[in-house]
Amino acid sequence: EAQVTQNPRYLITVTGKKLTVTCSQNMNHEYMSWYRQDPGLGLRQIYYSMNVEVTDKGDVPEGYKVSRKEKRNFPLILESPSPNQTSLYFCASSLTPLGANVLTFGAGSRLTVL
Amino acid sequence: AQSVSQHNHHVILSEAASLELGCNYSYGGTVNLFWYVQYPGQHLQLLLKYFSGDPLVKGIKGFEAEFIKSKFSFNLRKPSVQWSDTAEYFCAVKGNKLTFGTGTQLKVEL
Repeated sequence: EAQVTQNPRYLITVTGKKLTVTCSQNMNHEYMSWYRQDPGLGLRQIYYSMNVEVTDKGDVPEGYKVSRKEKRNFPLILESPSPNQTSLYFCASSLTPLGANVLTFGAGSRLTVL
Repeated sequence: AQSVSQHNHHVILSEAASLELGCNYSYGGTVNLFWYVQYPGQHLQLLLKYFSGDPLVKGIKGFEAEFIKSKFSFNLRKPSVQWSDTAEYFCAVKGNKLTFGTGTQLKVEL
């Protein structure tokens, strides 16, 4: 089944404890992206990747890192999480970054930073 | 700068009522337009998209949207909503990048 898989789905952590949210897609998509969803703010893009080894900042990149060493994986790294990073995170991918390509979203990862 | 505005943040309707959710964008060039839906506890799924041709686009579950270029709008419509349409709806615009609106929470009451 074509899908985007995120792990963990739920995580409670403490300020400053490094964590990684993994994202993997099995559709050979070039484009991958991370969003955070907060009430009243909709989805805001954190980072995106046009292809392997090509990443760029989205609208809210502060406090996050990403890497794209393989086409299928796009992990989101929080080196030193803070409470304002408590949010619902979605990974998404599309065949290419161009045109009307539809994003396929993962199921989401709910992160709470105490 | 590219932006998307969804004016209705919360909408409550009775079953069988008609629905129209507003979406306006600002961008000077060619755009691709999307509506995504997020059912409670689930991830976003595509409802419909527009990239060229007939400005009236039909999507899944009886939804449609009309692209009015002169008004920079892409409103979502459904003639008769069902309880199962309760969800959050996001408009998205792709100009030089993909931008999502802040979402509209729709609650359909029995």
